[in-house]
Amino acid sequence: DGGITQSPKYLFRKEGQNVTLSCEQNLNHDAMYWYRQDPGQGLRLIYYSQIVNDFQKGDIAEGYSVSREKKESFPLTVTSAQKNPTAFYLCASSGSGTLGPFSSGNTIYFGEGSWLTVV
Amino acid sequence: GQSLEQPSEVTAVEGAIVQINCTYQTSGFYGLSWYQQHDGGAPTFLSYNALDGLEETGRFSSFLSRSDSYGYLLLQELQMKDSASYFCAALTGFQKLVFGTGTRLLVSP
Repeated sequence: DGGITQSPKYLFRKEGQNVTLSCEQNLNHDAMYWYRQDPGQGLRLIYYSQIVNDFQKGDIAEGYSVSREKKESFPLTVTSAQKNPTAFYLCASSGSGTLGPFSSGNTIYFGEGSWLTVV
Repeated sequence: GQSLEQPSEVTAVEGAIVQINCTYQTSGFYGLSWYQQHDGGAPTFLSYNALDGLEETGRFSSFLSRSDSYGYLLLQELQMKDSASYFCAALTGFQKLVFGTGTRLLVSP
């Protein structure tokens, strides 16, 4: 079945470590996204990529890095510079032609999320 | 800056109708989406308004007024399974979606 796969589901990070969250999609979508969600709060955009080998910072990019070497993959690295990384991380994707300004089929599809905890 | 404000919590009983409001202030705006998220799960798409007016999809309807920077999600014939968090999200640029603060809906018997 087509979808978005995030791994790991649960991850523990020690102080000073970098960790990488994986996101793979087989929907043939051009655009991919990373959001952060803190308990009881909304989703905040970290990074997004509209096409391979290109990505843009979202609203809270500091302390995070991404790459988009393949259309299917958009890994997120949480660096040691991110001082409060404990959160739920959601990867998403959208197809070419959707999320255009007047697209009637506007939607993005989310993975099941990854829980990151600092220990 | 970008902000989308929603009430933090709404309560209702089964069979009732509930409205969840969203006011937005964004640097660009092309349309408003609504997503549902159950605890511990991923958000799922409910509806999208690119133009002013009402969009109906089964028990759910969504409304947008661009002149008032305001939209709402209307849920009818509430069921227990509708207990979840609901997020409005503004399309602020090509392929860029910014989410609201979220509203937790509690449906009681």
